[in-house]
Amino acid sequence: NAGVMQNPRHLVRRRGQEARLRCSPMKGHSHVYWYRQLPEEGLKFMVYLQKENIIDESGMPKERFSAEFPKEGPSILRIQQVVRGDSAAYFCASSPVVRGPTDTQYFGPGTRLTVL
Amino acid sequence: AQKITQTQPGMFVQEKEAVTLDCTYDTSDPSYGLFWYKQPSSGEMIFLIYQGSYDQQNATEGRYSLNFQKARKSANLVISASQLGDSAMYFCAMRPITGANSKLTFGKGITLSVRP
Repeated sequence: NAGVMQNPRHLVRRRGQEARLRCSPMKGHSHVYWYRQLPEEGLKFMVYLQKENIIDESGMPKERFSAEFPKEGPSILRIQQVVRGDSAAYFCASSPVVRGPTDTQYFGPGTRLTVL
Repeated sequence: AQKITQTQPGMFVQEKEAVTLDCTYDTSDPSYGLFWYKQPSSGEMIFLIYQGSYDQQNATEGRYSLNFQKARKSANLVISASQLGDSAMYFCAMRPITGANSKLTFGKGITLSVRP
């Protein structure tokens, strides 16, 4: 039973380029969350998606960032025109259909984005 | 709004001894869940233990237990019989249980080093 998969694990981009981060949730999980971790910091929520729907994007920067979770395929976090401040670790987490209060978010290994 | 506070400096513990990692929180939600995650140097986020605000007993999971004091708004993680592999960053997190808001709020983390 594979865990949450993220690729690439490491991504290097130059300023102004686009970054596309992919996340495949655990089998049977239909809820996906993206978090960002800056150096020496805890994780900060960005966006919560279910299949074909954005449920909560209150943590997403207003510009350059977008996320999707299509009916088929992985969830994608897209960062356009990257800047050095976007350098961080981006984590995806998934949880099953909500059954009750103990549903846990399981995290992928993260994508380390470095902007040169 | 929810807030997690982890203020301990880097913690050190001798192998095979027990250690307590502190976490205090603040929330206006009537029901909430508290989580601890481990982040080793490899970077992944590993779920350790969960405590519901309505649970009468403290959660335990193998060598991990949670010292939950609701009135003091604290949810300290206790690791018994420390092992070298326990050296990592540890994050306390919480989320509300009621409503559609499922995002986790994280603290800044505590570094634990286990000495042989």
